[in-house]
Amino acid sequence: AQSVTQLGSHVSVSEGALVLLRCNYSSSVPPYLFWYVQYPNQGLQLLLKYTSAATLVKGINGFEAEFKKSETSFHLTKPSAHMSDAAEYFCAVIRRDDKIIFGKGTRLHILP
Amino acid sequence: EAGVTQFPSHSVIEKGQTVTLRCDPISGHDNLYWYRRVMGKEIKFLLHFVKESKQDESGMPNNRFLAERTGGTYSTLKVQPAELEDSGVYFCASSQDAVRRETQYFGPGTRLLVL
Repeated sequence: AQSVTQLGSHVSVSEGALVLLRCNYSSSVPPYLFWYVQYPNQGLQLLLKYTSAATLVKGINGFEAEFKKSETSFHLTKPSAHMSDAAEYFCAVIRRDDKIIFGKGTRLHILP
Repeated sequence: EAGVTQFPSHSVIEKGQTVTLRCDPISGHDNLYWYRRVMGKEIKFLLHFVKESKQDESGMPNNRFLAERTGGTYSTLKVQPAELEDSGVYFCASSQDAVRRETQYFGPGTRLLVL
């Protein structure tokens, strides 16, 4: 069975500081992994996607994630947090039957 | 190009009433999915349409939920009768039927509150 685990339901960082949101996956097959973001009162927006090509994936709004097979991780990072990054972030894996399995979400708070 | 749209954005109903949620996928997307996030829980898969056919409805919680996709365009998800535990956010997503594990694009969700 495939699954993802997000560490930390809430993460707070200062504006301008590094953002690091952690995600670990479990998969018996090469995974396709996603990060989605949900801004307040909006839907889920795709940030980036890993499909077994380059291990470092660049997404929108300055975010990137690195796939590390040895650590079964797919952590999301951004060098410098902006107030507009405050949102809930979801790590997810898509199964071969096209079902997406989501993590519980991490709410990112940006401190001024 | 318009994204996935959902209607209504919010719905507040009483237990025992009926509610119908609508989803319009991205034009040309044959695959349409419904997901749900109950308060405090993960977003979970409900069902998957390929055109007008139900490909997988293994995530539907019970027979109070009925999904349709007549003509292979928009889809409706009806809850009848609604129960308190049905409260949550219902997301719709769509993808092109090109390759497996294609990116799914999500709508804004419908926030359902059953009182």
